[in-house]
Amino acid sequence: DVKVTQSSRYLVKRTGEKVFLECVQDMDHENMFWYRQDPGLGLRLIYFSYDVKMKEKGDIPEGYSVSREKKERFSLILESASTNQTSMYLCASSLLGGSGNTIYFGEGSWLTVV
Amino acid sequence: SQQGEEDPQALSIQEGENATMNCSYKTSINNLQWYRQNSGRGLVHLILIRSNEREKHSGRLRVTLDTSKKSSSLLITASRAADTASYFCATDRKDNNNDMRFGAGTRLTVKP
Repeated sequence: DVKVTQSSRYLVKRTGEKVFLECVQDMDHENMFWYRQDPGLGLRLIYFSYDVKMKEKGDIPEGYSVSREKKERFSLILESASTNQTSMYLCASSLLGGSGNTIYFGEGSWLTVV
Repeated sequence: SQQGEEDPQALSIQEGENATMNCSYKTSINNLQWYRQNSGRGLVHLILIRSNEREKHSGRLRVTLDTSKKSSSLLITASRAADTASYFCATDRKDNNNDMRFGAGTRLTVKP
């Protein structure tokens, strides 16, 4: 089975801290995604990547950056965390030619910024 | 911006009843997918329907797609308490099928 693993399930960080959310997939997928999920707003795409060192902005990239140095790993970085970034973050992956393929999700990372 | 929008936002039914959820989207698509999310967990793929398909079945799930109305529906027949979850549609863009966007979801509660 495809596995998408998010390194941290629950994090509490202070305002202004730099935060790294790590995601690893084990099925050699080209596409990787970071979404943010908030009540009533559903999933909003932050960034996606369809190849190593490639990235494209989603709907809400402000305040975030990403890194994809290796195919299996896609990191989300909050350069200076703020309280409005408190949310659940979901990493996902799929084969290239994305929408014809299943997207596999990790279990989510709950980030609280205090 | 979000591509798909689910309707209703919340749905509560009794076990054994059918549940219908709708998804509308704004721009032309290649494919549409439905996902399920149990509370506090990641999303799990349910079914994919291509833009040249009108209906698809998988077990108790039936999905329809009307590209002229830019809408899709997910029907769960003979619902069970275990079907309680949030359901999301996901669509791509005709010009970029790697760009997948999700709606806000329908929260389904099935009462035993």
